[in-house]
Amino acid sequence: GENVEQHPSTLSVQEGDSAVIKCTYSDSASNYFPWYKQELGKGPQLIIDIRSNVGEKKDQRIAVTLNKTAKHFSLHITETQPEDSAVYFCAAFRWGAQKLVFGQGTRLTINP
Amino acid sequence: NAGVTQTPKFQVLKTGQSMTLQCAQDMNHEYMSWYRQDPGMGLRLIHYSVGAGITDQGEVPNGYNVSRSTTEDFPLRLLSAAPSQTSVYFCASSSTFSGGAGNEQFFGPGTRLTVL
Repeated sequence: GENVEQHPSTLSVQEGDSAVIKCTYSDSASNYFPWYKQELGKGPQLIIDIRSNVGEKKDQRIAVTLNKTAKHFSLHITETQPEDSAVYFCAAFRWGAQKLVFGQGTRLTINP
Repeated sequence: NAGVTQTPKFQVLKTGQSMTLQCAQDMNHEYMSWYRQDPGMGLRLIHYSVGAGITDQGEVPNGYNVSRSTTEDFPLRLLSAAPSQTSVYFCASSSTFSGGAGNEQFFGPGTRLTVL
């Protein structure tokens, strides 16, 4: 089955700097890759997603890139702000599998 | 809309006790699922349902039962609680799960369960 590895497990950056979180997946048939943000004491919330027919997607300060050949995808946050502090999860999905497989999570801390 | 609601927020059980974690959604979503979240292990799928009357196992189904008698409700039952089931449990729903539009999963606020 699908396996998703996420790195790093913790990341600390200065406010205003950029943050990058990377994920690799094992199933080459996976075709949908969402990113979720989990704030303290809450459930995860979708922040951006990308499908396998697209190499990059941007939404204001966040972007996701996908390299299907290497089977990895990354979340990029620019101009980080204190409210970006949270745990971020990547996930992978294969059409017909009906199951999202999540990475281990990255705790991002933005230092003022 | 209330979205996805879960009760209780916190629960402490003794080994061997049984209980039901409640989950309800008011978005008329067909797909519902249960995850457990443990430190360093991300979110792992326990059971899921693609519609009323249809359920299937996820990655870690042992020790848990589910049923889906209505579109709105998807309770998770712990049959005989064990310390290994200490975790945070999240219920989620989405309108569909086909890889196309409507894939976004909406998560509830979670239930923190401790088994002594």
